[in-house]
Amino acid sequence: GAGVSQSPSNKVTEKGKDVELRCDPISGHTALYWYRQSLGQGLEFLIYFQGNSAPDKSGLPSDRFSAERTGGSVSTLTIQRTQQEDSAVYLCASSSTSGSVSYEQYFGPGTRLTVT
Amino acid sequence: AQKITQTQPGMFVQEKEAVTLDCTYDTSDQSYGLFWYKQPSSGEMIFLIYQGSYDEQNATEGRYSLNFQKARKSANLVISASQLGDSAMYFCAMRGLGGSNYKLTFGKGTLLTVNP
Repeated sequence: GAGVSQSPSNKVTEKGKDVELRCDPISGHTALYWYRQSLGQGLEFLIYFQGNSAPDKSGLPSDRFSAERTGGSVSTLTIQRTQQEDSAVYLCASSSTSGSVSYEQYFGPGTRLTVT
Repeated sequence: AQKITQTQPGMFVQEKEAVTLDCTYDTSDQSYGLFWYKQPSSGEMIFLIYQGSYDEQNATEGRYSLNFQKARKSANLVISASQLGDSAMYFCAMRGLGGSNYKLTFGKGTLLTVNP
């Protein structure tokens, strides 16, 4: 079946502009995660959605970052007033929360964001 | 809080030889899971292997095995019979198994190069 998809694959934006990154998880996966991968910082957790529960936003670096998940499926990560330090690869992952106890996360190809 | 340490920024191995990638962890969770992911130059994170803290036997998946030493808090990945296609970044990660948030904490990664 189809894996996690993300769009766009690359995004170049000017400092101060807003950007939206999209994630389409694997069908039937109730959990969805956003991570950020940047040089020197490794992979950082940003936000987690599970079903209809309130999202865990504890990893969002500032109030310029927000995310929503509509209908328990597609998610959008929005960065307002982008800064150069926001340049990174933004990875989305999804997992099932039933069946296997490992609940391994399946990652999308990422969106490479460059803020000029 | 959880912490993953990967002390090898880069490793080299000859094709067909075995290689061990180191991972140590720290957590206050009584029950946790350990993961290894592979990230080729294409950027996508690929799940390799999972070990639960309660598992008495080391996990194996094909050429991958996880050398789990709970008392030492280590979860090293062993790749047997290395192939050129194994050249990639490898990330060790973990999460707690209690509660309902399955976010992963990642190490900084090890860049493996397989030489012909």
